Amino acid sequence: SAVISQKPSRDICQRGTSLTIQCQVDSQVTMMFWYRQQPGQSLTLIATANQGSEATYESGFVIDKFPISRPNLTFSTLTVSNMSPEDSSIYLCSVERANYGYTFGSGTRLTVV
Amino acid sequence: QKEVEQDPGPLSVPEGAIVSLNCTYSNSAFQYFMWYRQYSRKGPELLMYTYSSGNKEDGRFTAQVDKSSKYISLFIRDSQPSDSATYLCAMSEWNNNDMRFGAGTRLTVKP
Repeated sequence: SAVISQKPSRDICQRGTSLTIQCQVDSQVTMMFWYRQQPGQSLTLIATANQGSEATYESGFVIDKFPISRPNLTFSTLTVSNMSPEDSSIYLCSVERANYGYTFGSGTRLTVV
Repeated sequence: QKEVEQDPGPLSVPEGAIVSLNCTYSNSAFQYFMWYRQYSRKGPELLMYTYSSGNKEDGRFTAQVDKSSKYISLFIRDSQPSDSATYLCAMSEWNNNDMRFGAGTRLTVKP
C-alpha cells in the first residue's frame, strides 16, 4: 500500500491564525482525501482533491475555511484558516489504492487556544 | 439516525478472548465494507475489506457482512495485548469514494 507522510504531526495554534498541513505520497495517485476526526466522533470527509482541478467539498465545508492545494500527483496541502477552538481536531489525509482500500497518513493533531 | 452506528465502548477483554466488534447501517446501497485499526496517535490502517455479503478470514481476524440485517462484524480470535486499539468500521456504495465511518470502538486486551 502507499506510504503517506503527513506533517506537522501536532500543533498548538492561536485562534484567528491559519495552519497548513502537508501530505506527501510515495507514488502518484489521482485523488487525495482530507478528513477530520473530532474527539469521540467518526471520521468526516472534508474534501476530495484532484490534481489540476479545484477540490470538491462536502456539505458543511467551504473553500474559504479549508483551502486545498494539489500541485501534483504526489502532494497536497490543507489549510485550516481563521482558526477557532472548534477546529481542534485530528486532520488526516488519505489515498485510495486498488485492492488496498484507503491508506491514511498518521494525522495532524491540532489544538486551537 | 446516523448512517453508520458503532458502539464506542470501551471494551476490555483478557488475553486470549474472542472479541466481537459490530456496526449497523441504514443505507442499503452500501456494498463495500472495511475495518480499520487505529493505534493511539496513529492514522487508521486498513485491516480487512469485503464486498457485499459473506465472510472473510485473515489469520485471527474474520469479517462478516449481513446485508439483509444491515449488520457487519469483526471477530478477533486469541486476542493479544497488541490488538489494543480503536477499530473503525467503514462502508461505501460501489464505485463511490465517499466512505462513511463508524465512531470507532476502543478495545483493550489485558495480559
